Amino acid sequence: NAGVTQTPKFRILKIGQSMTLQCAQDMNHNYMYWYRQDPGMGLKLIYYSVGAGITDKGEVPNGYNVSRSTTEDFPLRLELAAPSQTSVYFCASSFPGQENNEQFFGPGTRLTVL
Amino acid sequence: ELKVEQNPLFLSMQEGKNYTIYCNYSTTSDRLYWYRQDPGKSLESLFVLLSNGAVKQEGRLMASLDTKARLSTLHITAAVHDLSATYFCAVDENNDMRFGAGTRLTVKP
Repeated sequence: NAGVTQTPKFRILKIGQSMTLQCAQDMNHNYMYWYRQDPGMGLKLIYYSVGAGITDKGEVPNGYNVSRSTTEDFPLRLELAAPSQTSVYFCASSFPGQENNEQFFGPGTRLTVL
Repeated sequence: ELKVEQNPLFLSMQEGKNYTIYCNYSTTSDRLYWYRQDPGKSLESLFVLLSNGAVKQEGRLMASLDTKARLSTLHITAAVHDLSATYFCAVDENNDMRFGAGTRLTVKP
C-alpha cells in the first residue's frame, strides 16, 4: 500500500492564482482530512470528509473548497491565492471502524504564495 | 471552543535525563493522540489514548491520560539524541481534530 499520497510536493503561486492540491489514499479509509501547518505551529483542520459526497468545514475553511467524489481522492482547491495561505498542507485519512480513529498523514505539500 | 495547550513549547535536554511534556485540553473528549514530527517531514503517530487512566509505553516514551483533569503527559526517560523532534498532542471531538502548538525537543550530548 502507498498509504496517503499528495501532489505536488512544492508549489509557488502568484497572488490571485488558483490551484488544486491532490490527495489520495489506498487504505479504503472513509474519513479524510485537510490540515495546514504554519511555521512553528500545530496543525489546523481546514475541511474533512466522512465519506464520498460528504464534506464539512473544520477550524479554518475560508479561502478553500473541497470535493469528495470517490473514497480514494480528496482534492483541496485554493481560489484566489493569498499570501496568508502560504503554509504546508497535510492530508490525512482514518478508518471509522477503528474506535481510536487514528489518522495517517501524507508527506505534505509546501505552498508559497507571492 | 475546543482548545489544546502544550507546555513547554521548547525543551532542551541532556542525554540521559528525564522530562515530561504536558497537554491540557478543554473538551470532554476521551480520545487523545500523540504525534512526532521530524523537521520537514510529516507526522508519525506515537500513541492513541482512549480512556481515563490509559497508559502506553514505547521505548523511552510513555504517555498517560487523565480525562477528569483533561490532561495528558508524555514522559521521556533517559533521553537520547534520536528523540529530538517536535511532539504534538491532539484531541478528537466529533471528527474535529485540534492540535496543540507542539513541543520542540532538542536532546544534547
